[in-house]
Amino acid sequence: QVTLRESGPALVKPTQTLTLTCTFSGFSLSTSGMCVSWIRQPPGKALEWLALIDWDDDKYYSTSLKTRLTISKDTSKNQVVLTMTNMDPVDTATYYCARSWRTPATGGLDYWGQGTLVTVSS
Amino acid sequence: EIVLTQSPGTLSLSPGERATLSCRASQSVSSSYLAWYQQKPGQAPRLLIYGASSRATGIPDRFSGSGSGTDFTLTISRLEPEDFAVYYCQQYGSSPVTFGPGTKVDIK
Repeated sequence: QVTLRESGPALVKPTQTLTLTCTFSGFSLSTSGMCVSWIRQPPGKALEWLALIDWDDDKYYSTSLKTRLTISKDTSKNQVVLTMTNMDPVDTATYYCARSWRTPATGGLDYWGQGTLVTVSS
Repeated sequence: EIVLTQSPGTLSLSPGERATLSCRASQSVSSSYLAWYQQKPGQAPRLLIYGASSRATGIPDRFSGSGSGTDFTLTISRLEPEDFAVYYCQQYGSSPVTFGPGTKVDIK
């Protein structure tokens, strides 16, 4: 079955760089149409999409955060990594990774990790 | 960037009632690439609807989606106790992907 799990530090200091890893199973990111996204959610607030990487290694980023984000994949390890530079307390949020599969019969983010809470504080 | 607006912000209803949630886009959503998600406290979102009107695997048929272009609707025909949650729409037809601010459905 498909599973995704986020990992990374629970606490980072302002100005530091955050590195999060999404480790998945049950699908391959080399399959045509397969994509993994990162989404975050500050406490009590709405979902915010951050970045996506697809099977062809194309990358897409949030307009407001693209200067701070880098997404990459390691297909052999079934991992997707997100880095976010210059962290600020407003970046405190639960960070999720999720899968999507672009086919005529599918759509949306159909599998999600459980999320990891990242707090930015000195 | 496509901005999604959801209304109402909060919907207070009783079990058994019909819920109608709206999602409006600032420009046309390509190929109806519009999805709806349900999120309960402390849980990750769950995909309900994709392609504006297709139910995801395992989603009960009391959930239905409709619309095209810039106006979309999620309807829950008869609210069950487990349906009280926050609902988000998302467009994935053009980059960047965007989410709406959510509609909370709570118990009246």
